[in-house]
Amino acid sequence: AQSVTQPDIHITVSEGASLELRCNYSYGATPYLFWYVQSPGQGLQLLLKYFSGDTLVQGIKGFEAEFKRSQSSFNLRKPSVHWSDAAEYFCAVGPNAGNNRKLIWGLGTSLAVNP
Amino acid sequence: EAGVAQSPRYKIIEKRQSVAFWCNPISGHATLYWYQQILGQGPKLLIQFQNNGVVDDSQLPKDRFSAERLKGVDSTLKIQPAKLEDSAVYLCASSLGGVQETQYFGPGTRLLVL
Repeated sequence: AQSVTQPDIHITVSEGASLELRCNYSYGATPYLFWYVQSPGQGLQLLLKYFSGDTLVQGIKGFEAEFKRSQSSFNLRKPSVHWSDAAEYFCAVGPNAGNNRKLIWGLGTSLAVNP
Repeated sequence: EAGVAQSPRYKIIEKRQSVAFWCNPISGHATLYWYQQILGQGPKLLIQFQNNGVVDDSQLPKDRFSAERLKGVDSTLKIQPAKLEDSAVYLCASSLGGVQETQYFGPGTRLLVL
């Protein structure tokens, strides 16, 4: 069955520290991969997406993600976290072929940033 | 560029009452999505429209939920009658085309069913 797993429900980091949020997926073929962020009181916003090509993808707000086919992972990283990065982060996957044309969403990782 | 608009932002109703949510997508976006987001979970797709046709409504509880997209633009989502478990945030999103396109989300409507 198709699924997305975000193993960490909640992560706390100190401001200025590095960050890695994990995302693992189970899919029949290489899917489209997305990371969205949901800040308090705001709508979901796309951080970055991967379709093909270079497996290291750069996004907005200094985030990047790396697609690793062998590990079925698409982890999100940021070298230095800012207090404004405190939010809920969602990984999502979608089909790059076939009739099922909807995204499957992870349960999210809540990020807290200590000053 | 105006974003996705939703109203109301908050709604409190009693169980068995009805409620309707409205969404105005970004101009020119062909695809419109309604999601349900229960606290602590990721968004769950309820229904997806391509222009004014339904692409996917497999997870829409059709005995109580209905949705329409008027003239391929605005959309309404209705719940009748509401149950306690419908308490959630209802998100509307739009995109230019299919699943590979970026989805732009509205602020959501927070529904509390008492």
